[in-house]
Amino acid sequence: EAQVTQNPRYLITVTGKKLTVTCSQNMNHEYMSWYRQDPGLGLRQIYYSMNVEVTDKGDVPEGYKVSRKEKRNFPLILESPSPNQTSLYFCASSFFRDNEQYFGPGTRLTVT
Amino acid sequence: AQSVTQPDIHITVSEGASLELRCNYSYGATPYLFWYVQSPGQGLQLLLKYFSGDTLVQGIKGFEAEFKRSQSSFNLRKPSVHWSDAAEYFCAVAVMDSSYKLIFGSGTRLLVRP
Repeated sequence: EAQVTQNPRYLITVTGKKLTVTCSQNMNHEYMSWYRQDPGLGLRQIYYSMNVEVTDKGDVPEGYKVSRKEKRNFPLILESPSPNQTSLYFCASSFFRDNEQYFGPGTRLTVT
Repeated sequence: AQSVTQPDIHITVSEGASLELRCNYSYGATPYLFWYVQSPGQGLQLLLKYFSGDTLVQGIKGFEAEFKRSQSSFNLRKPSVHWSDAAEYFCAVAVMDSSYKLIFGSGTRLLVRP
C-alpha cells in the first residue's frame, strides 16, 4: 500500500531532550516536506526537500533540523525541544513539487 | 506577501443542504491551488486542485471548486452535504519561485446537523 508513515504517533518529552520524528514514504517520491499544525494557524511548512541531499527552509524552521540521506526517509530533528514546539506534525511527499502531496497520519508532540 | 484566507472558522449546515466554503489567496503569479480535508485524528487528504485550464474543477466525494482570478478566490462547493463530510477543510496555494512552499489557510471546521 502506498503511504507515508511517521513514528512515533504520540510523544511527550521534556525541554532540552533531543528527539527525532521519522518519516518514510514508499512511493519513490522526490519531494518531501514537514509541517506543523497549530489551532487557528493551519499548517505551516518547516522544511522541505526536493531530492536526496537537497533540503531548504520553509516558513518556520527555527529549532528544527532535517536530513535527506535516502530518497524514502526525511527525519525531523529537534536538538533542544522547547514548549513552543508542542504541536501536531505532518510529513508529506509527492512525485514532483507541484503534484498532489500525500500526508502522513501526524505526530502529536508535547514538550513540558 | 503570499497568504491564504479562510474567513469562516466554523460552518454548520444541515444534512442534504448545499455547502460553500470560502477561500481567498494573495499571490502575484498564476496560482496552484488546493483543497484538503482533515477528518478527526487523520492526516490530510487532497479533495481537488487547480493548476490551469478550466476554472471549475471537480474533486473527490462530490466536491467542486471554482477559480476566480478577478476575485482571487477558490471557493469549495458541494450540492448536498452528507454527515460524513463533517471535518476540517484547508485551502492552500503553492508558492513557486526559487523554492517551493505550500501556504495553508487557517481552516474551516464543518459541522453537519442531522
